[in-house]
Amino acid sequence: DAEITQSPRHKITETGRQVTLACHQTWNHNNMFWYRQDLGHGLRLIHYSYGVHDTNKGEVSDGYSVSRSNTEDLPLTLESAASSQTSVYFCASSRDRADNEQFFGPGTRLTVL
Amino acid sequence: QKEVEQNSGPLSVPEGAIASLNCTYSDRGSQSFFWYRQYSGKSPELIMFIYSNGDKEDGRFTAQLNKASQYVSLLIRDSQPSDSATYLCAAYKAAGNKLTFGGGTRVLVKP
Repeated sequence: DAEITQSPRHKITETGRQVTLACHQTWNHNNMFWYRQDLGHGLRLIHYSYGVHDTNKGEVSDGYSVSRSNTEDLPLTLESAASSQTSVYFCASSRDRADNEQFFGPGTRLTVL
Repeated sequence: QKEVEQNSGPLSVPEGAIASLNCTYSDRGSQSFFWYRQYSGKSPELIMFIYSNGDKEDGRFTAQLNKASQYVSLLIRDSQPSDSATYLCAAYKAAGNKLTFGGGTRVLVKP
């Protein structure tokens, strides 16, 4: 069955370290998204991609970067982790447009000490 | 003002009753609207979408859209304890091709 996975599921890191969160989907979807979820804020879009080599900034992109070298993967990198980036991160994918059903990964809980 | 707003709750509902969730949006260019359910510690999953004014029913769920008033609602009939979750409203706008989520409403269905 097609799926979307994230790794690691939990991560504790220190301020200033570089961290990469992996997202892998086997739906063969063109669109992939990264969100963060914090209490009271719902899901906020960090970065998104409409296809290989395409990346775009979302509403809270500062301090994050992504790259898309193939259809299946969209890794999210925190260049220099900050305590404000402690959050739960969700990766999602959809077929063609963002209003097609987005399928979410299980999430990564990141703690920055 | 947030683009998509929801009452955070919790909305407490007796088992068997109707749960009514509301969502307002600020961008009149939003074209379609989505309700996602998220159980505690889990990822969101789509339960309904609506893009035309009026009602759309799917099982025990009814989505209602009023574009003139810029609100979307979700009714859950015959609420069950298994409906206890956070419900996220989202608005889609073609310009920019992005989905904007509200903060979510937590629903508690009490037996």
